[in-house]
Amino acid sequence: NAGVTQTPKFRVLKTGQSMTLLCAQDMNHEYMYWYRQDPGMGLRLIHYSVGEGTTAKGEVPDGYNVSRLKKQNFLLGLESAAPSQTSVYFCASSSPGQPPSEAFFGQGTRLTVV
Amino acid sequence: AQTVTQSQPEMSVQEAETVTLSCTYDTSESDYYLFWYKQPPSRQMILVIRQEAYKQQNATENRFSVNFQKAAKSFSLKISDSQLGDAAMYFCAYRSRWGGGSNYKLTFGKGTLLTVNP
Repeated sequence: NAGVTQTPKFRVLKTGQSMTLLCAQDMNHEYMYWYRQDPGMGLRLIHYSVGEGTTAKGEVPDGYNVSRLKKQNFLLGLESAAPSQTSVYFCASSSPGQPPSEAFFGQGTRLTVV
Repeated sequence: AQTVTQSQPEMSVQEAETVTLSCTYDTSESDYYLFWYKQPPSRQMILVIRQEAYKQQNATENRFSVNFQKAAKSFSLKISDSQLGDAAMYFCAYRSRWGGGSNYKLTFGKGTLLTVNP
């Protein structure tokens, strides 16, 4: 049982380049989330999805886009990377209406923009 | 909007001793969940313990227990018999129980870095 899998685990981008982070879950969860983690800031929500074909903005959505074409996948895109987007990115999934109530996390992607 | 505050950026404990990590939160809701997540150097977010606000009994998981004070909006984590493997960043998190949509997102504190000294 893989749970939540993120690819890639590490990436270095040059300013202005684009990339897509892939999150895949095999738990049939309805809800999926993208967070970023910065030192001293905890985890902040970028975008989330409550089901296939739907997405919504979180706390810090600027500079990111997302898509959820399939229930099991949630993609995070950076169209034109900036140094301020250097961070660790986490994907999570949950099925809030059923126990257990917690979110399950991927292993994170460390992104450096130079 | 809910907020979660962890006032201790760093804590240290001697192996085999007990340590308590603090968390306070602000909400106007009466029904919600509270969590403690552990993040070791591997970066993986690991659920330590969960508390449902409608339950008065404090949650316990082996050496980990919480002191949930709903009126004070306080949710502290006690680690007993600390082990070297407990060294990690610990995050307190809040989630609404109802409402759907963004209500189901986790709101995190900024974390407490726990060091365990041998």
